[in-house]
Amino acid sequence: SQQGEEDPQALSIQEGENATMNCSYKTSINNLQWYRQNSGRGLVHLILIRSNEREKHSGRLRVTLDTSKKSSSLLITASRAADTASYFCATERAGGTSYGKLTFGQGTILTVHP
Amino acid sequence: KAGVTQTPRYLIKTRGQQVTLSCSPISGHRSVSWYQQTPGQGLQFLFEYFSETQRNKGNFPGRFSGRQFSNSRSEMNVSTLELGDSALYLCASSSPPPGVAQYFGPGTRLTVL
Repeated sequence: SQQGEEDPQALSIQEGENATMNCSYKTSINNLQWYRQNSGRGLVHLILIRSNEREKHSGRLRVTLDTSKKSSSLLITASRAADTASYFCATERAGGTSYGKLTFGQGTILTVHP
Repeated sequence: KAGVTQTPRYLIKTRGQQVTLSCSPISGHRSVSWYQQTPGQGLQFLFEYFSETQRNKGNFPGRFSGRQFSNSRSEMNVSTLELGDSALYLCASSSPPPGVAQYFGPGTRLTVL
């Protein structure tokens, strides 16, 4: 079963606009990660934010984490057509038995129109 | 460094057969996790191996099994294939300790007829 939910399920924007995706989860976590997937291929790791962090940046990506609300957001600034993909959040549950297990959301399909 | 590799990339089997998928992690990574991705259930965790030991297992029937070799390469096996096993199977590797990013291979697309 999925840990959380992402919204929106689909997002369509123009090149140059910003894209914001949200993720909610249910349990206490060690970290939250965002991944990108193009057309049913492998997942590409984008960014990892730990439970004691509130915000993280990487290039055009900005991730926030609110552990009190059990939610995270991914902002892609100045989007490009090449950003068209599915984006997934994934959580590593807190506690000692989460070895290698990420729990994924259902994903947001982002389409960036040239 | 070379990325995670998975073989084969595509596979077509019939119901009742068994299949073995292979995963070679990034050099130096000792943890390998396997996931199943389907349109209906999304990405679901199958199991994780570290130093040839299964440390974690998802909620899948016993038909799904795996192993890891001393060079950290991993295989997963699905016996008595069912139509519902059609999926993209992804493996990911990471370096210890827990709490680090996982790096995914391109996946094996399994179709069961």
